[in-house]
This record gives sequence, structure tokens and C-alpha cells, in this order.
Amino acid sequence: DGGITQSPKYLFRKEGQNVTLSCEQNLNHDAMYWYRQDPGQGLRLIYYSQIVNDFQKGDIAEGYSVSREKKESFPLTVTSAQKNPTAFYLCATGQGLQETQYFGPGTRLLVL
Amino acid sequence: AQSVTQPDIHITVSEGASLELRCNYSYGATPYLFWYVQSPGQGLQLLLKYFSGDTLVQGIKGFEAEFKRSQSSFNLRKPSVHWSDAAEYFCAVPSGSQGNLIFGKGTKLSVKP
Repeated sequence: DGGITQSPKYLFRKEGQNVTLSCEQNLNHDAMYWYRQDPGQGLRLIYYSQIVNDFQKGDIAEGYSVSREKKESFPLTVTSAQKNPTAFYLCATGQGLQETQYFGPGTRLLVL
Repeated sequence: AQSVTQPDIHITVSEGASLELRCNYSYGATPYLFWYVQSPGQGLQLLLKYFSGDTLVQGIKGFEAEFKRSQSSFNLRKPSVHWSDAAEYFCAVPSGSQGNLIFGKGTKLSVKP
């Protein structure tokens, strides 16, 4: 069954804690992206990776980190430096520049 | 810089009525254009895309969109709305160098019975 999986569906973060959001794909797409969605704000790019072992900061990378050790996986860590992490996080994949992007089901992060 | 504007934050239509959601873009060249739909708490699903050629594009679920270069618009239409179409709709263009999409802020569609 092809697609993009994100886990967990809901995640709770305590003050000062780092948390990691998982994104896995079996579409064999080279590019992967992390977006943050806040109500009324659309989607904003956090990090992206066009190829394994390489990734770039997006528009709102502060307080986040990523890795891309495997083509299938692009985990996002929300660090304690991110002071307002409550949001819906969406992972996407694509074949390259200007191509269609495919989205996972999302992870909602809440702060305790 | 590329940008997308969706002028309507929230639209309510009656079931069976026609629908048009507006999207205006700013892009340096002939754009690729996308419409996505998002149900509450879900990811985004591609409705349709315009790359080149015919300016009227057909998508899934009975949606279509028309690219008008002179108006920098890519409006989404459906002749008869169903209650299951209630969702949030996003228009998007590629950013260019980064490969990501730039999204409008979305239009939330409510459907009255």
C-alpha cells in the first residue's frame, strides 16, 4: 500500500522537551518537505530535502531540526527553542521542482 | 516573489448550488498551479493541477479550474455542491528554487442542507 505515514497522530510536549515527529514514505520520491499549519495561516515551509543526506532550511526553521539518512524517512525534531510549537505538522513528498506534492495525514502537536 | 491570494476566508453555499472559489497568483513565468482540499484534521489531497495546454482543467470529485493569464487567476468551480464537499481548499504555486509549494491561506467551504 503506497503512501506517506506520519506518527504519532497526536503528540504532547512538556516545557523544555524535544519531541520528534516521524514521516515515512514508500513512493520512491526524492524530495521531502515539512510544513507547519496554523489556523488561517496556510502552510509554511520548515525544512526540505531534495536528496538523501542533504536538507535545507525553509522559511520558519528556527527551533526545528531534521535528518535525511534514508530516502524513505525525514523525521522532524521540535526543540525546546521553539517557543510556540502548537500546530498541525504536515509532511509531503515530491518528484522534483514544480511537481505535484503528496501529503501525509499530519501530526497535531500540543503543549502541556 | 511568488505569492498566492485567496480573497475569501469562508464561503457558505446551499447543497446543489454552484461554487466558485477564487485564487490569484503572482509568478514570474507561466505558472504551474494546484488546488488541494483538506478535511478537518486530515492531510491535503490534490484536486487538480495546471501545467500547460488547455486552460480548463478537470479534477477529481467533479471539480474544474480555469487558468486565466490576463487576470492572474485560477478559480476553482463545481456545478453542484454536495454536503461532503465541506472542507478547506488551498490554491498553490511552486516556489521555484526550493521545490516547495507556496499556499494561499485557504477558503473554508460550508454547505447548507
